Amino acid sequence: QQQVKQSPQSLIVQKGGISIINCAYENTAFDYFPWYQQFPGKGPALLIAIRPDVSEKKEGRFTISFNKSAKQFSLHIMDSQPGDSATYFCAASIERGSARQLTFGSGTQLTVLP
Amino acid sequence: DAMVIQNPRYQVTQFGKPVTLSCSQTLNHNVMYWYQQKSSQAPKLLFHYYDKDFNNEADTPDNFQSRRPNTSFCFLDIRSPGLGDAAMYLCATSRVGGSRQRERYEQYFGPGTRLTVT
Repeated sequence: QQQVKQSPQSLIVQKGGISIINCAYENTAFDYFPWYQQFPGKGPALLIAIRPDVSEKKEGRFTISFNKSAKQFSLHIMDSQPGDSATYFCAASIERGSARQLTFGSGTQLTVLP
Repeated sequence: DAMVIQNPRYQVTQFGKPVTLSCSQTLNHNVMYWYQQKSSQAPKLLFHYYDKDFNNEADTPDNFQSRRPNTSFCFLDIRSPGLGDAAMYLCATSRVGGSRQRERYEQYFGPGTRLTVT
């Protein structure tokens, strides 16, 4: 029930195309859904996040779509650029005792071809 | 800029030789986390501190310990590193009870320390 399932495992997109990464969760107690971008040898960086009372959030070329009833959320990267090539992790967050627990998806390696 | 700093960025240690990784933060966050991330995998939480209260994950091996001498610093000690402990170690922080909504929910990660065990 604590799992977050992420797909696809890898994604290759042409420059200018749309990259779409999907995630699904089971635990309805999760109350925050961040996406992290990670470049090789670097720590994850928060990209965009959404709360479950919102169906969509857009920041620049990045959009999260959230379907509460289906317990699914997705990241859309518009006009994908080679610099977007990285590993993307979705996550679901819940307050557990004295801290925030993050449950990560398995990651998607995105390659944007020039 | 406020941030999470990890030192060293790269650490090589010998099999069985104790090693300490450090994390510092200027965000004044009350929670600090340590994650282990192996190649092509998601980060896995080892433990966290809420102020001085230590919280261990159930499946974290006894080989891993942590210390938090003050709000700004947290250390990860690996008592007897094995080859299977080679990984990226990530420190993260968050603020429980913060007044700013975004701050209450987010975890901020450091750049990580890449540990190699020879």
